[in-house]
Amino acid sequence: AQSVTQLGSHVSVSEGALVLLRCNYSSSVPPYLFWYVQYPNQGLQLLLKYTSAATLVKGINGFEAEFKKSETSFHLTKPSAHMSDAAEYFCAVTVSGGYNKLIFGAGTRLAVHP
Amino acid sequence: SQTIHQWPATLVQPVGSPLSLECTVEGTSNPNLYWYRQAAGRGLQLLFYSVGIGQISSEVPQNLSASRPQDRQFILSSKKLLLSDSGFYLCAWSFRAGYGYTFGSGTRLTVV
Repeated sequence: AQSVTQLGSHVSVSEGALVLLRCNYSSSVPPYLFWYVQYPNQGLQLLLKYTSAATLVKGINGFEAEFKKSETSFHLTKPSAHMSDAAEYFCAVTVSGGYNKLIFGAGTRLAVHP
Repeated sequence: SQTIHQWPATLVQPVGSPLSLECTVEGTSNPNLYWYRQAAGRGLQLLFYSVGIGQISSEVPQNLSASRPQDRQFILSSKKLLLSDSGFYLCAWSFRAGYGYTFGSGTRLTVV
């Protein structure tokens, strides 16, 4: 079975600082990994996804994530935080086959202060 | 392009009343459909998923049910709401595993 652990339920950074949101996964087969962002009272928007191609994945809004099999990690980064990045971020894992059930982490709330 | 519609956006219902939330997808055929619930301060819990008309799988026992009367329509229902049913309900669709999910805008349900 697959699982996802997001380290840190709350992360606070200054505007212009590096954003690093941590995600570790567990899967017995090669995973597909995703990062989603959720703004208050809205649905989830896909930021980026890893599907066994390039290990460094670039997404929208300047975010990127690197798949590291040896560390079973898929951390999300952005070089310079913007106030508009304040939101909740979810890491998710699924595998090929089955019914494509996405398993989500508990989420990390990112605060960006001036 | 594919779009997903979910309504209503907000709903306040008394305890013991029925519930019907609807989700429709446009621009694709035979999608996988999902209902998630997000309780305050908590992550996303998968409630139901469907791989075809009339095919519903439940992930957790609860006071809710789901139906898929048409290929691109997914309905979440309850006969009698409980206070614990309050939350943010999200519908989503997917095509295949590597494509991820596309989410609707959600329904904020408050049971009073």
